[in-house]
Amino acid sequence: SQKIEQNSEALNIQEGKTATLTCNYTNYSPAYLQWYRQDPGRGPVFLLLIRENEKEKRKERLKVTFDTTLKQSLFHITASQPADSATYLCALLILSGNTPLVFGKGTRLSVIA
Amino acid sequence: EAQVTQNPRYLITVTGKKLTVTCSQNMNHEYMSWYRQDPGLGLRQIYYSMNVEVTDKGDVPEGYKVSRKEKRNFPLILESPSPNQTSLYFCASSLGRGGALAKNIQYFGAGTRLSVL
Repeated sequence: SQKIEQNSEALNIQEGKTATLTCNYTNYSPAYLQWYRQDPGRGPVFLLLIRENEKEKRKERLKVTFDTTLKQSLFHITASQPADSATYLCALLILSGNTPLVFGKGTRLSVIA
Repeated sequence: EAQVTQNPRYLITVTGKKLTVTCSQNMNHEYMSWYRQDPGLGLRQIYYSMNVEVTDKGDVPEGYKVSRKEKRNFPLILESPSPNQTSLYFCASSLGRGGALAKNIQYFGAGTRLSVL
């Protein structure tokens, strides 16, 4: 069966450290992988998108990697700050089938000062 | 300001009483969709629309209806709500699907928290 999994429900890290979140998938052939941030009571907000033929994408303190052999994406936040505390969702974009965008359940990140 | 607007933000209703949640976007996006978000289950797509008068089922369409008569609006209709439809609902839109990267970025509304008693 098709699955998309984010490594943990919750992750606590110290301010200033690098947070690494994992997204694994099985039995999908995604064209793109996206990462979103969701704050409590709000809708998800797009952060980064990476194509299947790209290895890495960066935006300020954020970095995303995409390994289609391992079927895994890693999302890094360097020099983390308490304001980075939120739930982070990965999403696969499938260009066929009924559900074009499939979301993981998210990882709730808490950055402790 | 570019945005997706959902109304109402909060709704408490009773079993069987028809309701509509409205969604409107001002970005001239072709693609719109509805999701529900439940603890432990994440975001699941209910219905989506590739363009005006073109709608299709997502993962969890049972008990819901949608329509896309105009490009900007995509209402979600619950003809006979039941308690298992108590959830947090999000409407989202994007330029399109596939092709250029920017087409696939989803813009979400602020959410509608629905309770069915």
